[in-house]
Amino acid sequence: GNSVTQMEGPVTLSEEAFLTINCTYTATGYPSLFWYVQYPGEGLQLLLKATKADDKGSNKGFEATYRKETTSFHLEKGSVQVSDSAVYFCALVWYQLIWGAGTKLIIKP
Amino acid sequence: DTAVSQTPKYLVTQMGNDKSIKCEQNLGHDTMYWYKQDSKKFLKIMFSYNNKELIINETVPNRFSPKSPDKAHLNLHINSLELGDSAVYFCASSPGGVYGYTFGSGTRLTVV
Repeated sequence: GNSVTQMEGPVTLSEEAFLTINCTYTATGYPSLFWYVQYPGEGLQLLLKATKADDKGSNKGFEATYRKETTSFHLEKGSVQVSDSAVYFCALVWYQLIWGAGTKLIIKP
Repeated sequence: DTAVSQTPKYLVTQMGNDKSIKCEQNLGHDTMYWYKQDSKKFLKIMFSYNNKELIINETVPNRFSPKSPDKAHLNLHINSLELGDSAVYFCASSPGGVYGYTFGSGTRLTVV
């Protein structure tokens, strides 16, 4: 079946550090891949997406590349800010949305 | 012009009460969902409707009953509320296929 695995948190970094949150998937078809973000006390927002292999999604300084050969969609940001503190969810859609467990990111000033 | 709106945002109620959460989407999507997010932030699908028809009904107590009067609305009614029902409930919609989902802002239900 389809599944998404992302690194466990919390991930704690200092401001301006480089961020990577790993996400790998298994899928029977050709899914689209997504990163969603949930800021404290708020709902779920789409952060970025990629719909086919080698596509790069980007938004707000975050990037992720759809790597079919490694079945990965790792989230990266070159310089994180305190305001990036949130829970990040990796997900795939192949006729149904499959979620990762979420990774809590804590950025310290 | 909220794309997926759900009400209320907060709901505090006593055990044994019956309550409803409403959801509306103005995106013209065919499919709507209810998700439950527990205290560890894990998201679990509860129900899915496509054009007013139930297509996903996960293992959820039958105290939970979804109702879709039209494809833009999906409400969730909960009977005989229990302490374990306390969670954040998210409504979402999707055009289907490989497209992403749009979520509402969530309803934080607290049963006391």
